[in-house]
Amino acid sequence: GQQVMQIPQYQHVQEGEDFTTYCNSSTTLSNIQWYKQRPGGHPVFLIQLVKSGEVKKQKRLTFQFGEAKKNSSLHITATQTTDVGTYFCAVGPGDGTNAGKSTFGDGTTLTVKP
Amino acid sequence: NAGVTQTPKFRVLKTGQSMTLLCAQDMNHEYMYWYRQDPGMGLRLIHYSVGEGTTAKGEVPDGYNVSRLKKQNFLLGLESAAPSQTSVYFCASSFSSFYTQYFGPGTRLTVL
Repeated sequence: GQQVMQIPQYQHVQEGEDFTTYCNSSTTLSNIQWYKQRPGGHPVFLIQLVKSGEVKKQKRLTFQFGEAKKNSSLHITATQTTDVGTYFCAVGPGDGTNAGKSTFGDGTTLTVKP
Repeated sequence: NAGVTQTPKFRVLKTGQSMTLLCAQDMNHEYMYWYRQDPGMGLRLIHYSVGEGTTAKGEVPDGYNVSRLKKQNFLLGLESAAPSQTSVYFCASSFSSFYTQYFGPGTRLTVL
């Protein structure tokens, strides 16, 4: 099935530092979604990227879809303690197969030291 | 609008026991999913459904069965629980393929 690698697995930062997580696939993707899961909570949708090279921003969060639609990044500027949690990417295949079967990355867990 | 609800929230089973997890959504979504989440392993798709009366296998279907008799409900069954099925189970729903998935609060299952 679809393989997606998310790096790093863990990231510890000082409050105010920036944070980036990457999602990489060996095959072309139809789209990519990003979710956030707070400790003890459930995944919550953040954003979806569809177009090659697309960049979207949500306040301090910047999401980017690679030109080849094989990778994506989530960048947080000036982290705050409210940013702690695990960030997941979810990908759909580019060839239309397995409609409905998104594949989730293993996530990047962010901890922020105040 | 309750969104996606799951029952029960917690459950402890002994090896060999059976149980059913219930997921309900009130958003009139066609697609529903069952995932399990183990520490450090992200979300793995167990089974999913693209509409009432349909089910399909996901990444890790062995040991589980599902049913979607009503559009708003998606049931996950464990016929003979094993310790390897200790996990947190999340249900999700979406309007269509690759649309936003809305997750329930999860069921924490322990099999002794």
